[in-house]
Amino acid sequence: GESVGLHLPTLSVQEGDNSIINCAYSNSASDYFIWYKQESGKGPQFIIDIRSNMDKRQGQRVTVLLNKTVKHLSLQIAATQPGDSAVYFCARNAGNMLTFGGGTRLMVKP
Amino acid sequence: DAGVIQSPRHEVTEMGQEVTLRCKLISGHNSLFWYRQTMMRGLELLIYFNNNVPIDDSGMPEDRFSAKMPNASFSTLKIQPSEPRDSAVYFCASSPGQGLRPQHFGDGTRLSIL
Repeated sequence: GESVGLHLPTLSVQEGDNSIINCAYSNSASDYFIWYKQESGKGPQFIIDIRSNMDKRQGQRVTVLLNKTVKHLSLQIAATQPGDSAVYFCARNAGNMLTFGGGTRLMVKP
Repeated sequence: DAGVIQSPRHEVTEMGQEVTLRCKLISGHNSLFWYRQTMMRGLELLIYFNNNVPIDDSGMPEDRFSAKMPNASFSTLKIQPSEPRDSAVYFCASSPGQGLRPQHFGDGTRLSIL
């Protein structure tokens, strides 16, 4: 079946450390992946995306890695800041629709 | 640039009442999505439109739910009659609809049915 799932429901990191949030998917036809950040009381906010013909993409302080062999996606946040505290969702886009993972809560300790 | 705009931000009403949620798309976007988010079920796609036409409404819970796009920039999601189990946060998202592009979400309507 088709699913997008997360390994860890909660991740707690020290401010300044790097964070890694993981996501697994089961549909090998997946061709586009997106990471969203959702803060309390707000909608999911687009962070970064990656297409299946790539294995790495970098943004400002964030890097997404895609391993198609093991169907695994990760979001790396460098020098994690208190403002990074939120729930992070991976999503798979096929056509125009999104399938979301369950989310990982990132907590940043000062 | 204005993002997706949803109204109201909060709605509290008694069961049996009609509820109408509103969404304004980002200018130039032609795909519109309605989602529902709960602690138990996470984010669920209810319905999506492309160029004002409903493409997939398989996520709409039942006939009490209906969605429309009266024009290219605006959509409504209506629940009639509302029930307590409809309590959730409802999000609207839009995308350019061409190729592999991310959806952009509004800040949602928190709906409580008493």
